[in-house]
Amino acid sequence: EPEVTQTPSHQVTQMGQEVILRCVPISNHLYFYWYRQILGQKVEFLVSFYNNEISEKSEIFDDQFSVERPDGSNFTLKIRSTKLEDSAMYFCASSEAMISNQPQHFGDGTRLSIL
Amino acid sequence: AQSVTQLGSHVSVSEGALVLLRCNYSSSVPPYLFWYVQYPNQGLQLLLKYTSAATLVKGINGFEAEFKKSETSFHLTKPSAHMSDAAEYFCALGNEKLTFGTGTRLTIIP
Repeated sequence: EPEVTQTPSHQVTQMGQEVILRCVPISNHLYFYWYRQILGQKVEFLVSFYNNEISEKSEIFDDQFSVERPDGSNFTLKIRSTKLEDSAMYFCASSEAMISNQPQHFGDGTRLSIL
Repeated sequence: AQSVTQLGSHVSVSEGALVLLRCNYSSSVPPYLFWYVQYPNQGLQLLLKYTSAATLVKGINGFEAEFKKSETSFHLTKPSAHMSDAAEYFCALGNEKLTFGTGTRLTIIP
């Protein structure tokens, strides 16, 4: 069964540094998402992306965050200047369409640790 | 605004016993509801989804959930727990933007 793959599985970065998290969505999917889960808290929506542009973003997704689909297969999340509170598990997801019978499929996540 | 409440952050059941994980939702529009499972060090795997076609939804691994509009609930059940069911379970609501509950960690007692 096709999977969403995320790299790296664990990223350790110094505060203030830029970090790029990478995702390869399922190949025929058109909608892409990033979520995060701070340890012990809920999974939270960050951003959705379709047709090479952001379609919705949450309050968390401020100017320090950006997303990009640099080629036909990758989908990236960049954090420009990381803060301690950015430490979390980041999940990428994709779906064929944005309707109810096409659910989002999630990757295994990247654990981001900011020192 | 949409919200999801999962009652019980930890649930323990004996192997072979009934599993019941509770989820209540709040939504101003007809909801799309999902249950996801997360095994240790893995991502979120879809167990089942409610798309308004039927109120009783069957998913993978013997799980099912019943949508009850009058109770705004979408509880997850499995008749007989197996050791391999030990995981964290998340109820989620939405379409483009999923709103998740806080999760329920299921422990199976041998």
